[in-house]
Amino acid sequence: SQTIHQWPATLVQPVGSPLSLECTVEGTSNPNLYWYRQAAGRGLQLLFYSVGIGQISSEVPQNLSASRPQDRQFILSSKKLLLSDSGFYLCAFIQWDGSYNSPLHFGNGTRLTVT
Amino acid sequence: DAKTTQPNSMESNEEEPVHLPCNHSTISGTDYIHWYRQLPSQGPEYVIHGLTSNVNNRMASLAIAEDRKSSTLILHRATLRDAAVYYCILRDVGTSGTYKYIFGTGTRLKVLA
Repeated sequence: SQTIHQWPATLVQPVGSPLSLECTVEGTSNPNLYWYRQAAGRGLQLLFYSVGIGQISSEVPQNLSASRPQDRQFILSSKKLLLSDSGFYLCAFIQWDGSYNSPLHFGNGTRLTVT
Repeated sequence: DAKTTQPNSMESNEEEPVHLPCNHSTISGTDYIHWYRQLPSQGPEYVIHGLTSNVNNRMASLAIAEDRKSSTLILHRATLRDAAVYYCILRDVGTSGTYKYIFGTGTRLKVLA
């Protein structure tokens, strides 16, 4: 079966520090990968999505970036965090079943607090 | 922008059925309708999805209007554990033909004991 792992679960970082969040998927090949952010009390905001290694589409550029160095690895980064980057970061994937019609599967998320 | 509209909140009594509506008037012929729910401090959980016909699974039923411009998620007997934010979303086509999923604000379901 397919699983998705995110780490760390919680993170407290000072303003101006760098960020690296990692997401890995197991049990499937060629997944579509997604990064979402949820601010406190708000809905999910799509940040980035990827169809393959090195292929990244951005919805909200800001000061965040994403990379996909391997088929089942998705990384969210920032060079300098802002207070507004605080939130709940979620990675998700859709497995390739011949059509990408299967549902999104989410990880458990990383709760980031920028102080 | 999200392609769906849902009521902000709904209430239900425990053990009673719940009908959560969703409007998606701009749906295209190949768009699947997906429903997810999110419990506090957790990532969204898949509930059900469908294209044209009504769908049933162990969690819920999905009733899709004949013109596909609206759908209803049906929880047959609400329990306290069903209290969550329910999202109805459509698949959108992004750059390079990639599928992306834009979430709206969802419906916050409160279940009364």
